[in-house]
Amino acid sequence: EDQVTQSPEALRLQEGESSSLNCSYTVSGLRGLFWYRQDPGKGPEFLFTLYSAGEEKEKERLKATLTKKESFLHITAPKPEDSATYLCAVQKEGYSTLTFGKGTMLLVSP
Amino acid sequence: DVKVTQSSRYLVKRTGEKVFLECVQDMDHENMFWYRQDPGLGLRLIYFSYDVKMKEKGDIPEGYSVSREKKERFSLILESASTNQTSMYLCASSLTAFEAFFGQGTRLTVV
Repeated sequence: EDQVTQSPEALRLQEGESSSLNCSYTVSGLRGLFWYRQDPGKGPEFLFTLYSAGEEKEKERLKATLTKKESFLHITAPKPEDSATYLCAVQKEGYSTLTFGKGTMLLVSP
Repeated sequence: DVKVTQSSRYLVKRTGEKVFLECVQDMDHENMFWYRQDPGLGLRLIYFSYDVKMKEKGDIPEGYSVSREKKERFSLILESASTNQTSMYLCASSLTAFEAFFGQGTRLTVV
């Protein structure tokens, strides 16, 4: 059975304090790994897709990386507006559906 | 930009009512999905559709049905609403093998 585990469940950072969120996965035949950001009361917003081990994607203060067993979302010098829940999801070869982790709730204090 | 629009942000319904949640996408995506999101449980797939009039059960289809009569529209139906269906409902659409785009969500409360 496909599994996606995100850690930590919650993370509190000071503004400017860099850190990483982890997404470990078990899936037979990974097609892609996806990162989303979700603000309270809203739908998830797409951030990145990673397709193969060693791949990296960047957007502003965020950088996502992928290995054969896990993905990291690195947040460099975060700001309060980066506070959100970050969701990781995997898509299996031959399927259109996504399996989501439970998310990491990030709070960045000024 | 892809736009996925859900018909309501908030709904309050009574136990036993038949409830319709509507979702429309404007990017000609073949795939559409309905998820529910609950604290501590994450997003769980209820149903998805890969073409007009086609549907597949997800992980938690019990108590729900769906309808896709047109490519851009995907409806979720709660046949007889119950309090354990109180949740945030999220619709999404995608092209096959690409990322899914989500609507803003419908917070449904069944009383």
